[in-house]
Amino acid sequence: AQTVTQSQPEMSVQEAETVTLSCTYDTSESNYYLFWYKQPPSRQMILVIRQEAYKQQNATENRFSVNFQKAAKSFSLKISDSQLGDTAMYFCAFAGLSAGNNRKLIWGLGTSLAVNP
Amino acid sequence: ETGVTQTPRHLVMGMTNKKSLKCEQHLGHNAMYWYKQSAKKPLELMFVYNFKEQTENNSVPSRFSPECPNSSHLFLHLHTLQPEDSALYLCASSQETLKTFWGGGNEQFFGPGTRLTVL
Repeated sequence: AQTVTQSQPEMSVQEAETVTLSCTYDTSESNYYLFWYKQPPSRQMILVIRQEAYKQQNATENRFSVNFQKAAKSFSLKISDSQLGDTAMYFCAFAGLSAGNNRKLIWGLGTSLAVNP
Repeated sequence: ETGVTQTPRHLVMGMTNKKSLKCEQHLGHNAMYWYKQSAKKPLELMFVYNFKEQTENNSVPSRFSPECPNSSHLFLHLHTLQPEDSALYLCASSQETLKTFWGGGNEQFFGPGTRLTVL
């Protein structure tokens, strides 16, 4: 079965500093997508960044970047120049693309990130 | 209204009540999803409608009944719920191009959720 593990239930960082959130996953598929979603205290979940497994280049979106290690099945999120608005729950998710797969997202338990002033 | 909206935002109901959750997406998407979010558990996919057809029922008890009258609206009808059904219920949508496949790499857009408490 496919699983997603986020080993850090809670983290904190000082404003303007850099923080890295960890995610590992388990799958036998070779083609898939990985995601980081953010759920601020207002509760609306939004996509932060997406990575296609067959792309070796790590995805970046402004201050957010990932370190995708396919062999190690690791997908960490780095937030640079942390801002107060980055305070949220961060979820790592996986979607396989093999034929017959329902393509539903497999979610981790989340990491609660607090950015301190 | 923009994005994905959900009503009500909060709902308290007794175990014998019947209520409905409503979701509306203003994004022109073809797929809509119901998720259950409980503390200490991963997000649980409940139902998926793609092009108005129900394509996923993730072993959800029959006390939850979805309805998708058109591609913009999704309902979750609730009856005789149990206290363990208390959770945040999230609706999401995504743009799909095929009736046979959904999800995968496509971004899902979420509503703010309905916080349900069953007494």
